[in-house]
Amino acid sequence: QQQVKQSPQSLIVQKGGISIINCAYENTAFDYFPWYQQFPGKGPALLIAIRPDVSEKKEGRFTISFNKSAKQFSLHIMDSQPGDSATYFCAASKAGAGSYQLTFGKGTKLSVIP
Amino acid sequence: KAGVTQTPRYLIKTRGQQVTLSCSPISGHRSVSWYQQTPGQGLQFLFEYFSETQRNKGNFPGRFSGRQFSNSRSEMNVSTLELGDSALYLCASTQTAHTDTQYFGPGTRLTVL
Repeated sequence: QQQVKQSPQSLIVQKGGISIINCAYENTAFDYFPWYQQFPGKGPALLIAIRPDVSEKKEGRFTISFNKSAKQFSLHIMDSQPGDSATYFCAASKAGAGSYQLTFGKGTKLSVIP
Repeated sequence: KAGVTQTPRYLIKTRGQQVTLSCSPISGHRSVSWYQQTPGQGLQFLFEYFSETQRNKGNFPGRFSGRQFSNSRSEMNVSTLELGDSALYLCASTQTAHTDTQYFGPGTRLTVL
């Protein structure tokens, strides 16, 4: 059972464009939603995270939009740059539940072309 | 502060062998989690340790085990290796006091022949 569904699998965006990656979750107990960026040969690095008490969080060019009723959240990368080319993972966990188990989406490979 | 370190970075083993991977968390971080990353299954949670106790375990066979030491360093062991165990094994540490953020190491690439 895939508890976090991520789309699209791959994405090609022109430099300066907006990259949008979507995730949907099933478990209503999830209350912490991070996004990770992974470059080849590296471990995932936290980009930005949100809790369900807010509908949007912005950090620089990265924005998370969160829709609790639809159980969906998305990552927007504004002014996408070739250096943003990486694989992006959404994740979810039950924060404060005494464990830090993350359930990940399958990932989106983003390519930003000049 | 130094990040999460994992050793070795690369390993080649044959079927039936066993392997031990090591993880040193960020100084002061007490929780260590392990994940398996494969192209087909993505990132899957293996287990989490906190204060030398396993708090949570993912859906993996008993061949996968781990432990945590008093200095928070952790090891995971895979016995009787199978071809399907070839993967990137990632360790993540969490401070636990004020944040849920998990910081990942670079991983150990295990190839089973």
